[in-house]
Amino acid sequence: DQQVKQNSPSLSVQEGRISILNCDYTNSMFDYFLWYKKYPAEGPTFLISISSIKDKNEDGRFTVFLNKSAKHLSLHIVPSQPGDSAVYFCAARAWDTGRRALTFGSGTRLQVQP
Amino acid sequence: DAGITQSPRHKVTETGTPVTLRCHQTENHRYMYWYRQDPGHGLRLIHYSYGVKDTDKGEVSDGYSVSRSKTEDFLLTLESATSSQTSVYFCASTGGPNTGELFFGEGSRLTVL
Repeated sequence: DQQVKQNSPSLSVQEGRISILNCDYTNSMFDYFLWYKKYPAEGPTFLISISSIKDKNEDGRFTVFLNKSAKHLSLHIVPSQPGDSAVYFCAARAWDTGRRALTFGSGTRLQVQP
Repeated sequence: DAGITQSPRHKVTETGTPVTLRCHQTENHRYMYWYRQDPGHGLRLIHYSYGVKDTDKGEVSDGYSVSRSKTEDFLLTLESATSSQTSVYFCASTGGPNTGELFFGEGSRLTVL
C-alpha cells in the first residue's frame, strides 16, 4: 500500500510557464514533507521542504503547498526552465518513528520544452 | 553537499552469487539508509542504521542484510542475488535530531543475470 502517491508519471510544460507537480499521502502521522529532484545517473538531491504546521514554503522559483485536510501537497515551479527537466520525488516523514526514514512517491518526470 | 560515496557504481553478477555494496560518508552522520529505486515504485527503504552496530529493517528487507562497524561505513549484502534484486541502490545519511533532509549518494546499478 503506497502511503505517498504521485499519480502523474510525467508532465511536459513550456519554458517560462508554471509547472505543478502533485502528491497525495495517506498516513496521518506524516509531519514533514520534502521534494527531491533527480537527474539521470545521479542521486536524488533535496529541493524544498515543508513542516505540517505550515501550509506554504517558498524558495526562489519553487513553492510547496500543503493541504492537510486533503492530505495533498504540490510543488510549483515558476518560471519553468529547461534545466528543471528531471524526475521529482515527493517524500514524507512520520513523527512517530525514531528512524527518520523518508517514504517516497513513485516520481513525476518533468520535461520543460524550450 | 554531504560527502557520500558508493561502490561499486555498476555491477553485473549472476544469480546465486553474493554481492556487497559499500557506502561511505564523511559527515559523521548518525543515521544511514539503503534504498532501492525501481520503475513505478520510487525509492523503497531496505534497511537503515541509527548508530554503529544498530540496524533495523525497512519495507523491502527480504534477501538483504546490512552491517555498520564504523560511523562512516554502511554495507549492504545480498547473500544470494536474484534477478528481482536487479535495481539501482542508493545510500543516504542524515545528522542532527531535527534534520528532515536525507543526503544521497550517486547510486549503484546492480544487474543480476
